Amino acid sequence: GESVGLHLPTLSVQEGDNSIINCAYSNSASDYFIWYKQESGKGPQFIIDIRSNMDKRQGQRVTVLLNKTVKHLSLQIAATQPGDSAVYFCAALLSGNTPLVFGKGTRLSVIA
Amino acid sequence: EAGVAQSPRYKIIEKRQSVAFWCNPISGHATLYWYQQILGQGPKLLIQFQNNGVVDDSQLPKDRFSAERLKGVDSTLKIQPAKLEDSAVYLCASSLPGQGWSEKLFFGSGTQLSVL
Repeated sequence: GESVGLHLPTLSVQEGDNSIINCAYSNSASDYFIWYKQESGKGPQFIIDIRSNMDKRQGQRVTVLLNKTVKHLSLQIAATQPGDSAVYFCAALLSGNTPLVFGKGTRLSVIA
Repeated sequence: EAGVAQSPRYKIIEKRQSVAFWCNPISGHATLYWYQQILGQGPKLLIQFQNNGVVDDSQLPKDRFSAERLKGVDSTLKIQPAKLEDSAVYLCASSLPGQGWSEKLFFGSGTQLSVL
């Protein structure tokens, strides 16, 4: 199976600074990873995803880095804004028809 | 594009009562999921449907939970009888298979269940 853990349950950053949220996974056979953002009272919202054959993928103000050697991935948010305040989940998927396994989440608070 | 619709938004029941949740996925999405999210934790998959067939229900407590997806569109999740530990947010998600390597799930806003 797979288990996913986040390094810090909470993270506070100053508005305008960059945020880095870390995640570790257990199964080296996992080949797909995804980050979700969940605001209070809402369902998780897709941010960015990455396959295991990639090391880095960039979106708008977000970058996901994957280090398969140490089974670690991170989400970087550039120029963090108050609207980025939310809980961020990483999830991993083993190959084949297996379900996404979510971590516990990191609560990001942006200080104005 | 309309998102995943869920109802009710909130539900409060007493233990041993029964409750049902409804989900309408994004039009055309063949795969539908029910997740349970306990406060402070990530979502945990309960059941996955592909059209109206069950793909994975290994984590569904079948002695009290049941789900169906008639006609491969809407789905209902039922709990009977409810226990205190069932208090959680129940999230429905859907996805469109055949998107290549992406496994992107689209989530509804969930039903927050409180069992007293």
